[in-house]
Amino acid sequence: DIQMTQSPSSLSASVGDRVTVTCRASQSIGTSLNWYQQKPGKAPKLLIYAAYRLQTGVPSRFSGSGSGTDFTLTISSLQPEDFATYYCQQSYNTPWTFGQGTRVEIK
Amino acid sequence: QVQLVQSGAEVKKPGASVKISCKSSGYTFTTYAISWVRQAPGQGLEWMGWISVYNGNTNYRQNLQGRVTMTTDTSTSTAYMELGSLRSDDTAVYYCVRVTYGGNGLDYWGQGTLVTVSS
Repeated sequence: DIQMTQSPSSLSASVGDRVTVTCRASQSIGTSLNWYQQKPGKAPKLLIYAAYRLQTGVPSRFSGSGSGTDFTLTISSLQPEDFATYYCQQSYNTPWTFGQGTRVEIK
Repeated sequence: QVQLVQSGAEVKKPGASVKISCKSSGYTFTTYAISWVRQAPGQGLEWMGWISVYNGNTNYRQNLQGRVTMTTDTSTSTAYMELGSLRSDDTAVYYCVRVTYGGNGLDYWGQGTLVTVSS
C-alpha cells in the first residue's frame, strides 16, 4: 500500500494568514493526489483533485501543487470558515489511501 | 443537485452483519462509480473499496475481502454496502461517495451512517 504522510499534524493560525500543508507519498504517484476538507460532524469535501485542479465551487484561495512524491495545499488568506481538518488522498493505486490529517486551529 | 442519502444509524452485536443503503439523485447513476469510506471515532479516513455502477465490477480493500460486499440497484439508483462478521473495531461512520468521472477523486459524499458494534 502507498503510505501518505502529512505535516504538520496540526497548526494554529490567524485569519488572513497564509497556510501550507504538506503531503508526502511513499512512492511516486504522478499527480494522482486529492485534497479534502472536513469539519466536525460533517462529511469531507473535495477541494483539489489531480494535484492542482480546483473543484467547482471551491474558493480560489485554495491551491494545490506538486507531483511525484511531494505535494502542497496552500490557503492564501485563511478565513474563519477554513478552520477544519485537511486530508490528502492518493488515487494512483488501490487501495486508495489517505494521509492522517492536518488540523487547522484558530490562534 | 447531486445528492447521496444514506440509511440511518445501526447498532449491531459482534459477529452480526450490517447493510447500508445510499440513494443517489441529481445525476445519471450508471455513469459514475461509488466508493465507500469509513471513519472510526476520532480517527482518519479509510477507503473500503468501490463498485462500478456501469458493470458491477468491484475492488475491495484487501483486509476486508470476504467480509464486505458492494452492490447497486440501478432501478432505484441505490448503492449498498454489506459488512459481515462485525467486530468492535468496525465501529465507525460509513460514507458512500461518488467517484469523479476521471477516477481522480471523491466528489460527492453521503451524510454518513454510524455503525456501532457492541455486545
